[in-house]
Amino acid sequence: NAGVTQTPKFRVLKTGQSMTLLCAQDMNHEYMYWYRQDPGMGLRLIHYSVGEGTTAKGEVPDGYNVSRLKKQNFLLGLESAAPSQTSVYFCASSRQGVNYNSPLHFGNGTRLTVT
Amino acid sequence: DQQVKQNSPSLSVQEGRISILNCDYTNSMFDYFLWYKKYPAEGPTFLISISSIKDKNEDGRFTVFLNKSAKHLSLHIVPSQPGDSAVYFCAALPLYGNKLVFGAGTILRVKS
Repeated sequence: NAGVTQTPKFRVLKTGQSMTLLCAQDMNHEYMYWYRQDPGMGLRLIHYSVGEGTTAKGEVPDGYNVSRLKKQNFLLGLESAAPSQTSVYFCASSRQGVNYNSPLHFGNGTRLTVT
Repeated sequence: DQQVKQNSPSLSVQEGRISILNCDYTNSMFDYFLWYKKYPAEGPTFLISISSIKDKNEDGRFTVFLNKSAKHLSLHIVPSQPGDSAVYFCAALPLYGNKLVFGAGTILRVKS
C-alpha cells in the first residue's frame, strides 16, 4: 500500500518557469491538501479539496493553482515560479475532514528551488 | 500572527530521560489538537491527539497534556529513545473546521 505519493522529489526552476507537482493517493480518501513547509513557519495550507472536482483556497494560495479531476490525484501548479516559492511541498490526504477517525496522511515531500 | 506556537526550536535529551515538548495557542475556538513527528526526507506522521474535553491522552511512551485555561499543551515522551530524534509539530483544529493550523516545529535530539 503506497499511501500518498508525490512526484517529483526534487526540482530546480528558474524564475518565471512553470511546473506541476503531482500527488496520488491509493486510500480512497475524499480530502486532499497541499502544504508548504518553510523554516520557522511550520506547515502552511496552500489549497485543499473536499472531493473530486472541488478545490478551495487555504492560508497561502497566491501564485498556485490546483486541480482534482480524479479522486486519487491532486495537482499543484505554479504558473510563473518566483524565488519566494522555494520551499518543501507536502501533499496530504484524509478519509474525511480531520478528526479523531481521520488523521492526515502525508507524502514524503517535493523540495523545490527557484533561482 | 501565528496561532500555534512552539517556542523551542530545538531540545536535546539524554536517552532514557523524559522529553517535554511544549505548544501554545491563541485561538480559543481550537477544539482538537494533534502532534505529528517528522524524520528527514519523509512526510510528517500522526503521533497522538487530544480533544478539548480531555486534559490527558496516553499512548505507550507518549502522553499529551492539555491545559485549556492556559491555552497550552505538551507532549511527554518517557523514556526517550534515539529513534525519537525528529521534528515534532503541534497542530490544532477549530471547532467545525477542517483545516489544521501547525506550529513551526521543535527538533528533538535524543543522545545515547
